[in-house]
Amino acid sequence: GDSVTQMEGPVTLSEEAFLTINCTYTATGYPSLFWYVQYPGEGLQLLLKATKADDKGSNKGFEATYRKETTSFHLEKGSVQVSDSAVYFCALGMDSSYKLIFGSGTRLLVRP
Amino acid sequence: GAVVSQHPSRVICKSGTSVKIECRSLDFQATTMFWYRQFPKQSLMLMATSNEGSKATYEQGVEKDKFLINHASLTLSTLTVTSAHPEDSSFYICSAAGDASEAFFGQGTRLTVV
Repeated sequence: GDSVTQMEGPVTLSEEAFLTINCTYTATGYPSLFWYVQYPGEGLQLLLKATKADDKGSNKGFEATYRKETTSFHLEKGSVQVSDSAVYFCALGMDSSYKLIFGSGTRLLVRP
Repeated sequence: GAVVSQHPSRVICKSGTSVKIECRSLDFQATTMFWYRQFPKQSLMLMATSNEGSKATYEQGVEKDKFLINHASLTLSTLTVTSAHPEDSSFYICSAAGDASEAFFGQGTRLTVV
């Protein structure tokens, strides 16, 4: 069945370092792809999304490109801040019903 | 974005008792709500989908008699874990969708059954 695999954390970086969190997916159709972020004590928030191949989602300095050839949607940020410390979830959705399949989440810790 | 409030954030209960978790959309009407469960170091797994005023649709392998879902209004859905056992200990999270182009998530509930 459809699934999402993302790198296991925690990922610990110094402030202003470059961030990559890998995400790959398996799907029988053409899914939309999402990154969600969960800050401590809060719910999941949509960070960015891409609905078709080669689309790039971006928000708050984060980017991810929908790569159909490698079935990937890696999250990147050029310069992380302490405030980016959170858990990041990669997800896919096969239709417009908001039903999502999630990866296991990657905890990011950014040190000053 | 819209706000979804989930309560309680943490609960500890004794084995054999029932626990109710509430999911409220505070500033929009949620025609559809979703309940997910996450075991340590694993993905969030969809348990069920509920539409206001109708019975929930459960995913394969989820016991509907054990995980009772009620979506009686456009702003409230509840998940009741009946006769809880230690293996039900998990992180439960809801999401709610209305007219917007995305679903909004609650903060999650950490359930520990002792």
